[in-house]
Amino acid sequence: DGGITQSPKYLFRKEGQNVTLSCEQNLNHDAMYWYRQDPGQGLRLIYYSQIVNDFQKGDIAEGYSVSREKKESFPLTVTSAQKNPTAFYLCASSSTVYSGANVLTFGAGSRLTVL
Amino acid sequence: KNQVEQSPQSLIILEGKNCTLQCNYTVSPFSNLRWYKQDTGRGPVSLTIMTFSENTKSNGRYTATLDADTKQSSLHITASQLSDSASYICVVSEVSGGYNKLIFGAGTRLAVHP
Repeated sequence: DGGITQSPKYLFRKEGQNVTLSCEQNLNHDAMYWYRQDPGQGLRLIYYSQIVNDFQKGDIAEGYSVSREKKESFPLTVTSAQKNPTAFYLCASSSTVYSGANVLTFGAGSRLTVL
Repeated sequence: KNQVEQSPQSLIILEGKNCTLQCNYTVSPFSNLRWYKQDTGRGPVSLTIMTFSENTKSNGRYTATLDADTKQSSLHITASQLSDSASYICVVSEVSGGYNKLIFGAGTRLAVHP
């Protein structure tokens, strides 16, 4: 089955630690995205990538980093510089970022809690 | 500032009843509008996508409407089922320099009770 796999599902982190969230897709999509979801707010874009070895900052990139070494993979690192990292993180993919009709496919999400 | 506002924030209905969720947006230039369903602790799943020239689109018991003049959309759920309990998210696509930017509403949380 084609889809997006995020891991881990739940993650606990101590303050001052970096953590990396995994996102793998087998949909052969060029574009991948990371969103953050907080209660009572709409999803906010952290980073997106249209092609391998290229990525762009979204609206809330501070304190986060990404890499795109393979088409299938787009890991997100939440660094210690992120002041309020507790949130639900969603990875998504689409055929392209530039099409007006592109439909995002989302992963099941990773919930990060900072202790 | 481009925004997407959804109402109500939450809604409780009885199984079998119909309901309508609202979405107002100020996004311009507008490309399309999407509705997603998100089960608790899961990723959103696409229900419908409409361009400015479409004013209605159905997906089973879900029917979305769009009035591009008043910048309003609604999602109507017919004969609700317990499995409809979820958050419903309105997403508006803004075309900005060739990049298709998505602006998400905060969602309406629907609870269907037996």
